[in-house]
Amino acid sequence: GQNIDQPTEMTATEGAIVQINCTYQTSGFNGLFWYQQHAGEAPTFLSYNVLDGLEEKGRFSSFLSRSKGYSYLLLKELQMKDSASYLCAVMDSNYQLIWGAGTKLIIKP
Amino acid sequence: NAGVTQTPKFQVLKTGQSMTLQCAQDMNHEYMSWYRQDPGMGLRLIHYSVGAGITDQGEVPNGYNVSRSTTEDFPLRLLSAAPSQTSVYFCASSNGRENSPLHFGNGTRLTVT
Repeated sequence: GQNIDQPTEMTATEGAIVQINCTYQTSGFNGLFWYQQHAGEAPTFLSYNVLDGLEEKGRFSSFLSRSKGYSYLLLKELQMKDSASYLCAVMDSNYQLIWGAGTKLIIKP
Repeated sequence: NAGVTQTPKFQVLKTGQSMTLQCAQDMNHEYMSWYRQDPGMGLRLIHYSVGAGITDQGEVPNGYNVSRSTTEDFPLRLLSAAPSQTSVYFCASSNGRENSPLHFGNGTRLTVT
């Protein structure tokens, strides 16, 4: 079956750096997405990776290794507003998105 | 630019009642979809559409119907509500290209008693 694994919850300190990992086993691969979801709100798009390597977008970076079935989202200079759930989703060979359960990130002052 | 508009935001139904969740987008997106989100689980696809007049089943379609008569609208119908359908429902759209992100509506929190 298809599976996406992410840690359920992580805690970090304001101003620090945190890495949220995502491992996947899917039928084919057509890209990996990261979304941010604040409590009670809709998911919003953060990043897309389809080739191996690091994509940087301001304080957020996303890394992909297709051979290892692994991605991570790196958040730098953490702010209180970064407290949210982070969802990893992989597009499979049928161009359907398979979603992880999300990682709840708690930022402490 | 409104994006994806979902109504209602909250709904309480009794078991056996039916209702329609409305979804409209103004981005001329071909692809539209409905997801449900339950605690501890990833988003699960209920139904999706790749264009007007075309719909298909997702991972958890039972108990739900959809139609796509226009590009803009994609309503989700609950035929006979059950407590297992208590969830948060999201409508999402994209332009259909593989690297295109989904744009989500604000969600409908549905409780079935």
